[in-house]
Parts: sequence; structure tokens; C-alpha cells
Amino acid sequence: KQEVTQIPAALSVPEGENLVLNCSFTDSAIYNLQWFRQDPGKGLTSLLLIQSSQREQTSGRLNASLDKSSGRSTLYIAASQPGDSATYLCAAFPFSGGYNKLIFGAGTRLAVHP
Amino acid sequence: GAGVSQSPRYKVAKRGQDVALRCDPISGHVSLFWYQQALGQGPEFLTYFQNEAQLDKSGLPSDRFFAERPEGSVSTLKIQRTQQEDSAVYLCASSPMARRGYNEQFFGPGTRLTVL
Repeated sequence: KQEVTQIPAALSVPEGENLVLNCSFTDSAIYNLQWFRQDPGKGLTSLLLIQSSQREQTSGRLNASLDKSSGRSTLYIAASQPGDSATYLCAAFPFSGGYNKLIFGAGTRLAVHP
Repeated sequence: GAGVSQSPRYKVAKRGQDVALRCDPISGHVSLFWYQQALGQGPEFLTYFQNEAQLDKSGLPSDRFFAERPEGSVSTLKIQRTQQEDSAVYLCASSPMARRGYNEQFFGPGTRLTVL
């Protein structure tokens, strides 16, 4: 059974820092891995989707990498800003376990202070 | 264009009441998903529709939970005889394709259900 773990659970940093959020998954048999952002009381906004054949994806100040063999993905945020404060969730799309279901981690709550 | 919308955004129910939660997916999206998110946790899969067919309901926690998508667009998640443990945010997502592994899911804002 696929399990997804995110470390750290919470992170507080000063504005301008570069930071790394970690995601690990127990079963490397995945189609893709997706990173989301969730603001309080809001739904999920997709940030980056990495297909299993890819090693990384970039969007602006965000870079996500995927290492299937080690069961790990990292989300790198450059030059963090207070507007980056949110919960970041990673989700794996496993080969097994039914149709199209994403398996989510519990998230990393990020606070960027001025 | 319009994203996924859900209504109501907030619902308070007394224990034992029935509730119905609505999801309007992005127009033309084939796939529709329901997830349940408890406080401080990631979303957990409930059920999946491909057009009007419910192909996976393995995540529904009990037979009190029922979902439908009769015309392949709008979907309703119904919870009968609500219990306190049903309190959570219910998220709906849609995807343009049915091909496994290649479809990005787009999420709505969720319905926060509180059962007293």
C-alpha cells in the first residue's frame, strides 16, 4: 500500500530564504507525482506535476525533483516571500490501487515572515 | 474559464441529519473525484467517476455515503444520518482525460462540513 510522508510538518522562515520541502513515498511504482498548495479555507492549487519519466519540473521560483528509485521528491522554493505562506501537499499517483486516485501526504505548513 | 465549483461552502448539520454536497466540474472534464480532508491531514480518496459511471468507490467510509453523477457533469455527494466523525472538508476535483497516470486533477474550494 502506497504511503506518502512529508517532512517537516511545519516550517517558519524569514523572507528571502531558499527552502526545501521533502516528500517520500513507499512504492516507486507511480505514474507521476504532483505538488499542490493549499491556503487556509481554500481548495488545492496545482503547482507542478512530474511524470515518472521526468526528473524535475520548474515553474518560476519553484523547482520540483523526482527520484523514483529512492522514493523521494523535493520542492525547492527560491527567495521565499510572505505570499508563499500556505500548506504544501505532495501526492503520488500509484500504478495500483484503483482508478486515478491520488495518495496525499499530510502536508508541510510554511510560514514566511517579513 | 471557470474552475471547479462546490456548494455549499460551509454546512453545519445536527447529528443524524442527511446532507447533500454539490460539485460542478470544469466543463467537458471526463473524470471527477471526491476526497475527504480531515483537519491537519491530506485529502483521502472517496470515489471516482468517468462520465456518469462510478468506477471506483473503494474510499467511501460506510454505506451512509453515496455519490452520483447522472448526466456526466454535476456530481452530488450525499451523507445519510451524519455522525460527528463525518466532520471534514469535502473536496471535488475534475480532470480532462480518463487515461490513467497522465491527467492533472483540478480541485474545487471544498465544502466544510461540521456535524454537531
